[in-house]
Amino acid sequence: KAGVTQTPRYLIKTRGQQVTLSCSPISGHRSVSWYQQTPGQGLQFLFEYFSETQRNKGNFPGRFSGRQFSNSRSEMNVSTLELGDSALYLCASSILAGFTGELFFGEGSRLTVL
Amino acid sequence: GENVEQHPSTLSVQEGDSAVIKCTYSDSASNYFPWYKQELGKRPQLIIDIRSNVGEKKDQRIAVTLNKTAKHFSLHITETQPEDSAVYFCAASREDSSYKLIFGSGTRLLVRP
Repeated sequence: KAGVTQTPRYLIKTRGQQVTLSCSPISGHRSVSWYQQTPGQGLQFLFEYFSETQRNKGNFPGRFSGRQFSNSRSEMNVSTLELGDSALYLCASSILAGFTGELFFGEGSRLTVL
Repeated sequence: GENVEQHPSTLSVQEGDSAVIKCTYSDSASNYFPWYKQELGKRPQLIIDIRSNVGEKKDQRIAVTLNKTAKHFSLHITETQPEDSAVYFCAASREDSSYKLIFGSGTRLLVRP
């Protein structure tokens, strides 16, 4: 069974640009969530989707957005990039509808903003 | 707002010794507490979790304890081995419609051979 797949794995952008990251969850998993990981900050919740609906959003500015498609694949977008957006963006999927089950993480997309 | 504090940020132990990592959560409605291990350059993986209806859970060399009154929970690793070296994250969530996991800032554990 394939794991959570994230693309691209690495990317470099400049300030002001925008970026789209993609996540394909494990087959059968309908919940997809996104986290930002930075040194010293741990993993910070961005948003969670289930059946194409965003069920919760973390404390990030409106420049961060996402969506989920009917096949459960998800994308997140960051517009008007800032230096502070440099981070590892992790996607995780879960088979359960609620947040009391195991999250299966992808390997992440490492974004560098110059 | 919801917050999970984790201590220590780094921990160095001798192989064979025990390691303890502690977390405190702010949301009294939290009732699910997982621990994730992230090896260098790899994805986080669940190693153990506990729900609020139990006070302790063990799985071989690892155990987690929960004190709901004090709102803190701890990870205990006994007989540490070099392969236990990694960053460990605690987290907390509610079993309701919030659908989000709040993570601590992580503990870098180094097990010295």
